[in-house]
Amino acid sequence: EADIYQTPRYLVIGTGKKITLECSQTMGHDKMYWYQQDPGMELHLIHYSYGVNSTEKGDLSSESTVSRIRTEHFPLTLESARPSHTSQYLCASSDTGVDGANVLTFGAGSRLTVL
Amino acid sequence: GQNIDQPTEMTATEGAIVQINCTYQTSGFNGLFWYQQHAGEAPTFLSYNVLDGLEEKGRFSSFLSRSKGYSYLLLKELQMKDSASYLCAVTDSNYQLIWGAGTKLIIKP
Repeated sequence: EADIYQTPRYLVIGTGKKITLECSQTMGHDKMYWYQQDPGMELHLIHYSYGVNSTEKGDLSSESTVSRIRTEHFPLTLESARPSHTSQYLCASSDTGVDGANVLTFGAGSRLTVL
Repeated sequence: GQNIDQPTEMTATEGAIVQINCTYQTSGFNGLFWYQQHAGEAPTFLSYNVLDGLEEKGRFSSFLSRSKGYSYLLLKELQMKDSASYLCAVTDSNYQLIWGAGTKLIIKP
């Protein structure tokens, strides 16, 4: 049973539309992340949060924005979608284990296609 | 720059053993992770190494040499369900995760 949920799983939209990808986790994790992944490529961090009201941009420049009003919820918004935004978006959360490992738990992903 | 290198694709036979290598060059080191990702699915955690040596977990083992910037994931008694991509990731001095592009493992009967 997944403890981190993403919706929608698949989305096809036209250029210029505003979209929000939802991500919720039930594990009480403080840290949450948004990654972008293209086939055969490494994961690229686009946003992360270390807690409520904390958000940071990742390595990959992105025209998206995020918010963290509640611990369990970390939505990602694209104000105006473009074909270059076509990709798989993965949400993750983490907590630091007793061995110091910051293990990520991923959602199933949102596959976005912009026409 | 920081980079993680791992083979793009490997093929192995059901029941055999396969070793997937990962070399890294990062600014600092605070642990190395291996994740498994089946096609169309999310990555799932396999192993974590922060000290040199071998960590064994059932059919999967992971090895780390910090002086060589090198790790490998060893999969024994391969099963068809092990067909997946295996992602190597390193935590750098700022505790940011640097990801490799993944190794696609194909298991043949």
